[in-house]
Parts: sequence; structure tokens; C-alpha cells
Amino acid sequence: DVKVTQSSRYLVKRTGEKVFLECVQDMDHENMFWYRQDPGLGLRLIYFSYDVKMKEKGDIPEGYSVSREKKERFSLILESASTNQTSMYLCASTIGGRGDTEAFFGQGTRLTVV
Amino acid sequence: SQQGEEDPQALSIQEGENATMNCSYKTSINNLQWYRQNSGRGLVHLILIRSNEREKHSGRLRVTLDTSKKSSSLLITASRAADTASYFCATAYSGGYQKVTFGTGTKLQVIP
Repeated sequence: DVKVTQSSRYLVKRTGEKVFLECVQDMDHENMFWYRQDPGLGLRLIYFSYDVKMKEKGDIPEGYSVSREKKERFSLILESASTNQTSMYLCASTIGGRGDTEAFFGQGTRLTVV
Repeated sequence: SQQGEEDPQALSIQEGENATMNCSYKTSINNLQWYRQNSGRGLVHLILIRSNEREKHSGRLRVTLDTSKKSSSLLITASRAADTASYFCATAYSGGYQKVTFGTGTKLQVIP
């Protein structure tokens, strides 16, 4: 059974802290994605990676960075957390190719920045 | 910017009725996919339609795609209370890397 695992289900951090959100997939997928989900705005793409050490900015990369040192792991980093980064964060992966396959999602991390 | 926009934002129907959701997108695509999300959890893939297809069926789901209008619709027939969820369309952009972007979603409530 395919699996995408996010390290935390709920997280509370203080303003200014450096925050790491981890995502691991066990499907040997090429592509991995980080989205944030806010009410009324749907899912917005932050960053994605199409290979180890490769990354591309999504639609809202400001205030975030990513790291993909190993194929199975994709980390989202909030360099200095702010209250407007309070959100649900979703990680996903796809097998690769031309995006003709489904995305598999983790269970989400609900981050609150206080 | 958001690639897809769903319409309506919210939909409430009685069990047994059909539910139709629409999605519009902006750029050329390789394929369009529909996902379901229950109660703020991760999304689950429902169906994929390629840019050269016009209609696709899967169980009680029917998806249409009109690339000239850059729009798609998802029809759920004979709805059940368990269909209550948010539904999102997603597009795989044809012009670059395998970027998958999502729309704003339709929140469906099926009343028993």
C-alpha cells in the first residue's frame, strides 16, 4: 500500500522560530510537492521537486524553502515563522513522467504560529 | 496564481440526487484530475481525464472535459451521505515540469 507520511499532525510554534515540516514517501516517486490549504483559497503550491536536490518554486514560495537530499524525503522549512503562515500543510508525491499519474497525499500538518 | 476555480463553492443536496461541480482552468494541460477530501485530511484521487479525452466514467462518477473552454465537470450520480466532502480539480501543466496545481474546491453536503 502506497504511503506518504508527514512527521506531525499538529504543530504549534512561536513567531520567529525556524520550523521544519518533514514528508517521506515509500513509493520511489520522482516528484514531491508541498501545498498549503486555507479556507476559501483551496490548495496553493509552495514548492515542488522533480528529482533529488532539484526544486522549483510554486505559486507562493515567499517565506519558505525546501530541501530534498534523498529521493524519499522532502522537507519544507519556514525560516522565521510568522502568524500568517498558520495553515494546513499538505505533502504529495507523483511517480514522474508528464504528470499523467495521480498524486498521493500525506495526512496533513496543521501548523499554528503564535 | 490559482490554476483552477471550482463552481459552486458549496453545494447541499438530498441523498439520491445528482451533484454537479464545475472547474475552469487557465493554461494548456496534459490532464485534469479530481480529488476528494474528507474533513481537512489528505486528498484522495478520484479520476483522471487526459487532454485528448472528452468524457470518462468511474462507478457513479462522470467527468467531462472541454479544452476549448478550459473547463471540466464532475457529476456524482445517486449521491450518498458518505459523499459529503470537499472536491478539488487539479491540472498537470503541459508546458514545463510536472507541476500539479489545484483549484479552490467545492464543498458538497449530502443530507440523508
